[in-house]
Amino acid sequence: GAGVSQSPRYKVAKRGQDVALRCDPISGHVSLFWYQQALGQGPEFLTYFQNEAQLDKSGLPSDRFFAERPEGSVSTLKIQRTQQEDSAVYLCASSLAFLGGSGSGANVLTFGAGSRLTVL
Amino acid sequence: KQEVTQIPAALSVPEGENLVLNCSFTDSAIYNLQWFRQDPGKGLTSLLLIQSSQREQTSGRLNASLDKSSGRSTLYIAASQPGDSATYLCAALRSNDYKLSFGAGTTVTVRA
Repeated sequence: GAGVSQSPRYKVAKRGQDVALRCDPISGHVSLFWYQQALGQGPEFLTYFQNEAQLDKSGLPSDRFFAERPEGSVSTLKIQRTQQEDSAVYLCASSLAFLGGSGSGANVLTFGAGSRLTVL
Repeated sequence: KQEVTQIPAALSVPEGENLVLNCSFTDSAIYNLQWFRQDPGKGLTSLLLIQSSQREQTSGRLNASLDKSSGRSTLYIAASQPGDSATYLCAALRSNDYKLSFGAGTTVTVRA
């Protein structure tokens, strides 16, 4: 696609519910990232995929957070048993090339519009 | 750990005035530095990207400089317009693990 697409744009969940957030990266982009942005703060890294491999999940706040990218394109971020502190905007970004590479597009991230999660 | 700080946190100027937004980072081992614009309730729009080997980048009324040794970047917006009102974020891509470290942003209001 022309850009990174995220859905849903807005999600309201009751505390304890499970939610799933979807990211469609730019077609052909190898690298995919999830970031969490709390109100009034800059985005914080959650996890990184290179194709279908999750190479870094060090930013996931707890084991209630799970991300997958089974076919190396679409990714889903799942949050189980949501808590109020999970309320944030979840941003997805993709990059054409492997991070650290020297090819065109390496290390240039394109962000989606984000999914705003509100946990009541 | 890379710490990125943006000063000021908020800025209000009359239309036509030039804007100067500051970004500082603690670890100079960066691959590049990127400036983003974020409108309320929206995602991030990339404005300028400066590779670590570069000193500045320009696009239209925007100019960004990078001084890696002192850990500073500055975004200049010339002849500001009300449409420039938004939050501007800088982010440094770390060389060791290729993670973006963001500042908290500067919220700009340009008064007509």
